[in-house]
This record gives sequence, structure tokens and C-alpha cells, in this order.
Amino acid sequence: AQSVTQLGSHVSVSEGALVLLRCNYSSSVPPYLFWYVQYPNQGLQLLLKYTTGATLVKGINGFEAEFKKSETSFHLTKPSAHMSDAAEYFCAVRYSNDYKLSFGAGTTVTVRA
Amino acid sequence: DTAVSQTPKYLVTQMGNDKSIKCEQNLGHDTMYWYKQDSKKFLKIMFSYNNKELIINETVPNRFSPKSPDKAHLNLHINSLELGDSAVYFCASSHKRLAGSTDTQYFGPGTRLTVL
Repeated sequence: AQSVTQLGSHVSVSEGALVLLRCNYSSSVPPYLFWYVQYPNQGLQLLLKYTTGATLVKGINGFEAEFKKSETSFHLTKPSAHMSDAAEYFCAVRYSNDYKLSFGAGTTVTVRA
Repeated sequence: DTAVSQTPKYLVTQMGNDKSIKCEQNLGHDTMYWYKQDSKKFLKIMFSYNNKELIINETVPNRFSPKSPDKAHLNLHINSLELGDSAVYFCASSHKRLAGSTDTQYFGPGTRLTVL
């Protein structure tokens, strides 16, 4: 069964500092990979996704993620955190022959002034 | 211009009651989903419909029954509500059958259900 692991349930960064959120998947076949953000009391919004092609994917709000097949990882980064980045971030995977989107446990990001 | 909308946003009810949550999407998608987010924020798919046909039915108590009157609507009816049903329920939709495609799911704002 596919699974998604997000390392670190909570990440605290200073405003202006690098944001790094880790995501690893467990399967021999690379899935489609997604990062979603959930702001307080809101639904999920797609930040970016990787399907095929270029392994460095740029998303909204200055976020980007790099797919590394050898490490089965899809870590999310943002060079400079903003207060508005405080939210819950979910990594998700889906396989091309499947309908289901499987989510990691989420990482809560807090940004210190 | 709301893409995926859900009503109500909040739902507080007593154990044993029956309640429904409605979902509508105006994106022209033909596949819709229901997810449950528990108190630890873990998200898990419950159901999916494609053109009114049930295509995903995870291990969910049969007290939960999805209904899709047309491809723009997917409602969730819950009978005999239990304390453990308290959660946030998210509706989502996508453009076409995801199998073999790279289309993205778009989520609604969620319905917070509290069972007392």
C-alpha cells in the first residue's frame, strides 16, 4: 500500500527564514505528488504538483518542491517565510492507475516575527 | 465565483440524529469526492463519484450514504450520528477520471460536524 510520510508535525521558522517541509513516499513506482496548504478554518488549496518532466516544480506563493526519485522524496521549500505562510501543509500522492489521493499527516507551520 | 461550495459550514447536532451535507461544484468537473479530516487533521477519502456512478467506497460505516443527483452535486447523508463522526468533511472535485490522468482535485471549504 502506498504511504506518505511527512517528517515533523510542527515546524517553526522566523520571518524571512527558509521554510523546509519534508515528504517521502514509499513505493517503487513514482506517484504523482502534490502539496496542499490549509489555512485556518479553510479548505485545502493546491500549492504545486509533480507529474512528469522537470523535477523542480514551482508553485504559488513562492513555494517550490523537488522530486528526487533516488530518495523517494518531494520536499517543499520557500526561501523566505512570511507571516501569511502560517498554515497546515499536506503532502499527497496518487498513482496513475488509481483514483485515490493519499495524504500525509500534515505539518503545521508557525512563523515568528 | 465559488468553485466548490459546501453547506452548511458548521453543523452541531445530537447523537442519533440524521444529517446531510451538501456539495456543489461549478467547475464543470465530472468526478467528486468526500474526505474526512479527524481531530488530528488526518485526511482520508470516503467516497468518489464519476458522472453519478460510485467509483470509490472506502471502509466507511453504512450509516454514511453519498448521493449524486447530477455530476455537479454530491451530498453526504449520515444516519444515527455518533460521537466519533465529529470531524471536518471536505468535498472535492476533479476534471475527469483520475486514473491515467494528471488532473488535480479542488477542495471545498469544509463542513465542521460536531456531535454532542
